[in-house]
Amino acid sequence: GAGVSQSPSNKVTEKGKDVELRCDPISGHTALYWYRQSLGQGLEFLIYFQGNSAPDKSGLPSDRFSAERTGGSVSTLTIQRTQQEDSAVYLCASSFSGLPPYGYTFGSGTRLTVV
Amino acid sequence: AQKVTQAQTEISVVEKEDVTLDCVYETRDTTYYLFWYKQPPSGELVFLIRRNSFDEQNEISGRYSWNFQKSTSSFNFTITASQVVDSAVYFCALSENSGGSNYKLTFGKGTLLTVNP
Repeated sequence: GAGVSQSPSNKVTEKGKDVELRCDPISGHTALYWYRQSLGQGLEFLIYFQGNSAPDKSGLPSDRFSAERTGGSVSTLTIQRTQQEDSAVYLCASSFSGLPPYGYTFGSGTRLTVV
Repeated sequence: AQKVTQAQTEISVVEKEDVTLDCVYETRDTTYYLFWYKQPPSGELVFLIRRNSFDEQNEISGRYSWNFQKSTSSFNFTITASQVVDSAVYFCALSENSGGSNYKLTFGKGTLLTVNP
């Protein structure tokens, strides 16, 4: 597609449930990042994928968070046993490998609300 | 550890005024990259500029200009003759190569700019 696509755009879930957030990067982009934007913490890095290399998971806040990227394209961020503090906007970004001269392309995000 | 500080949480101006958004960063690396992003109410982050640490030349793009000063670790953003469409949250961000090809961004908290007609 023309841009980074994220789904769903909004998700309301009950505390304790699992959720899956999807990111479809720009075709040909091998680098994929997940960020979280919350009122208290601002924008935080979560995880980075590059091609078939092992992901950099250093930003994941707890072991309830996991992510995978199938076939070097679509990525899914999974949050297990959701808590209210997980409520945030989850943003995905993609780029060609290395430092992109024109920045990363971000999706519109998934707004997650845990009630 | 790297850190980005945007001291101005909110700024409100009247259309046609000039406005400067401040950004101060901390890093131990000699090679790093600075960015500005705009986040309009729609929520999508829009890339504005990237500056390399070894290039201190200031840049102008239309009504936008950026002042990069390594001596004060600052990368300020000025909008000249502001317009209502400039209303958004603006983020300054810092990227270092944390190993391999990972250029993850460390963001400031953002500055909400409101331009009133």
